[in-house]
Amino acid sequence: QKEVEQDPGPLSVPEGAIVSLNCTYSNSAFQYFMWYRQYSRKGPELLMYTYSSGNKEDGRFTAQVDKSSKYISLFIRDSQPSDSATYLCAMSPTQGGSEKLVFGKGTKLTVNP
Amino acid sequence: DAGVTQSPTHLIKTRGQHVTLRCSPISGHKSVSWYQQVLGQGPQFIFQYYEKEERGRGNFPDRFSARQFPNYSSELNVNALLLGDSALYLCASSLAVYSYNEQFFGPGTRLTVL
Repeated sequence: QKEVEQDPGPLSVPEGAIVSLNCTYSNSAFQYFMWYRQYSRKGPELLMYTYSSGNKEDGRFTAQVDKSSKYISLFIRDSQPSDSATYLCAMSPTQGGSEKLVFGKGTKLTVNP
Repeated sequence: DAGVTQSPTHLIKTRGQHVTLRCSPISGHKSVSWYQQVLGQGPQFIFQYYEKEERGRGNFPDRFSARQFPNYSSELNVNALLLGDSALYLCASSLAVYSYNEQFFGPGTRLTVL
């Protein structure tokens, strides 16, 4: 079993839809959880960064962490065509360094106008 | 301010050759990390350097090496290229070793090995 599982999609939604992206993990030591957005032919861009369980909101984006279920989610409200990208979850047991950061495969999202 | 820059953008090599990829971090950032992203996969950690010293190494063969220069730029070298080395190579910079929330990625170098 991989440490981090993420459905690769692809996921296609109409503009304005609520999008739900998810990752599950097996390592109960993970405490730091991140969501990255990666546009085609670009590097990943950090969207959300959370520690331990709970919710975090930033504009149209909400990140949720449920450590008891080993499950994290990213919700996008009022999705826009500009949200079309691949979304990567990542997690780590500690605050740095890079060798501890484990990424999911990414979910490709298309928002249709 | 300029972000993380990487060169070249694209590269085509044949099996057995050697390649050098370059990264310039954001001004003031002293940590550089290298990742390999195979098509359809998430990035996999290769190396992290901080203040010119190796601070972490991923599960990659000795054909992969890296270094960081006094100006904090970095090179990733891969010897004896294999077809499986074809990937997007990402560089990320941060102020310190332990700062995921302040780690910024470059656009990557796309390496194709024929």
